Amino acid sequence: EPEVTQTPSHQVTQMGQEVILRCVPISNHLYFYWYRQILGQKVEFLVSFYNNEISEKSEIFDDQFSVERPDGSNFTLKIRSTKLEDSAMYFCARDSFSGANVLTFGAGSRLTVL
Amino acid sequence: TQLLEQSPQFLSIQEGENLTVYCNSSSVFSSLQWYRQEPGEGPVLLVTVVTGGEVKKLKRLTFQFGDARKDSSLHITAAQPGDTGLYLCAGGVRNDYKLSFGAGTTVTVRA
Repeated sequence: EPEVTQTPSHQVTQMGQEVILRCVPISNHLYFYWYRQILGQKVEFLVSFYNNEISEKSEIFDDQFSVERPDGSNFTLKIRSTKLEDSAMYFCARDSFSGANVLTFGAGSRLTVL
Repeated sequence: TQLLEQSPQFLSIQEGENLTVYCNSSSVFSSLQWYRQEPGEGPVLLVTVVTGGEVKKLKRLTFQFGDARKDSSLHITAAQPGDTGLYLCAGGVRNDYKLSFGAGTTVTVRA
């Protein structure tokens, strides 16, 4: 299956700035996800997106986070006002047609908040 | 959120040796995936197991799902330096598409 492409691969930002991370999944998939991985820690679920709306979100996904699928292809994660603790790898993922919770992950966007 | 405990956290072995990584939980999963992650990259799927007691082989890798679908193991036979990486298990529950990940096992195979 085609890959999931994420941009940027690395972004450095100042605390308090807005950040938008982008993902290009494939338009005929149903479920899209954002996960994050703080350095040295577990991969953590942030949010799932189905039929152009959030289907589930974790405690991490507070009011500072939002997701959009503005043009039916790109899938974005916005952090409104970044904090130091937002520094992490952010992974976009999409469901696999093989089902059974199988996900295909992008290579990730590394966010560094200074 | 279901918790998955992986052990050991780190494993360093000589080329040609065998190794086993364990993934345990008190929760029942409808499916369990094993991923491998290289530094600076996203997790790459190795295998999915869905049936209690299921065993899947992928060349020198053998994956087993426990009978009660609460645990899994990954066994590598005759490990090679190319097997070096972070191995992650992740569990899914039916009708809930998010995955719960273990903390990972860092495997180093020395030539």
